[in-house]
Amino acid sequence: KNEVEQSPQNLTAQEGEFITINCSYSVGISALHWLQQHPGGGIVSLFMLSSGKKKHGRLIATINIQEKHSSLHITASHPRDSAVYICAVRSDSNYQLIWGAGTKLIIKP
Amino acid sequence: GAGVSQTPSNKVTEKGKYVELRCDPISGHTALYWYRQSLGQGPEFLIYFQGTGAADDSGLPNDRFFAVRPEGSVSTLKIQRTERGDSAVYLCASSFGPNSPLHFGNGTRLTVT
Repeated sequence: KNEVEQSPQNLTAQEGEFITINCSYSVGISALHWLQQHPGGGIVSLFMLSSGKKKHGRLIATINIQEKHSSLHITASHPRDSAVYICAVRSDSNYQLIWGAGTKLIIKP
Repeated sequence: GAGVSQTPSNKVTEKGKYVELRCDPISGHTALYWYRQSLGQGPEFLIYFQGTGAADDSGLPNDRFFAVRPEGSVSTLKIQRTERGDSAVYLCASSFGPNSPLHFGNGTRLTVT
């Protein structure tokens, strides 16, 4: 079993829909990152969380440390949100990031 | 200021050759990471620098791979006797510290023919 599991692997939605991507992990962490990668593009850090909730524009990230679960939400989705969204956790035993497999999101106009 | 800069953006080399990939982190970032990403895969950790020293090089696949960061800023990833399996996008990221947000470069796409 992977230490970081994301769901769904693929998600296609219509413009305007509310999107939720989930991340569950099985290790102790010091922080959790949500990252975005456009096709052929670089990786952009969206959020770094260690507790609670963060909001940036139409993006919201939450984390429940007790349940070892995080969600990334996109409100009023837009085709430009189409990308791969990656959850990565920083283990509290070393400085490596443990990466999820990513969720490929396609927003249709 | 500028973000993380990686050069070259693309590198094509023949099997067996030596290559160097450069990463210029954001000024003041003491932590620097190298990752490798193959097509359709997630990033694979290679090495982490804190300052000038390699705090964790456990991700380097074999002794053909080596990385340096002599002055605690620019880092160079060196690959000897390249193999076709080394073809990937090599990503560099930097941060103020191990628990700070990461900033990624656009990567160097290495193709070994």
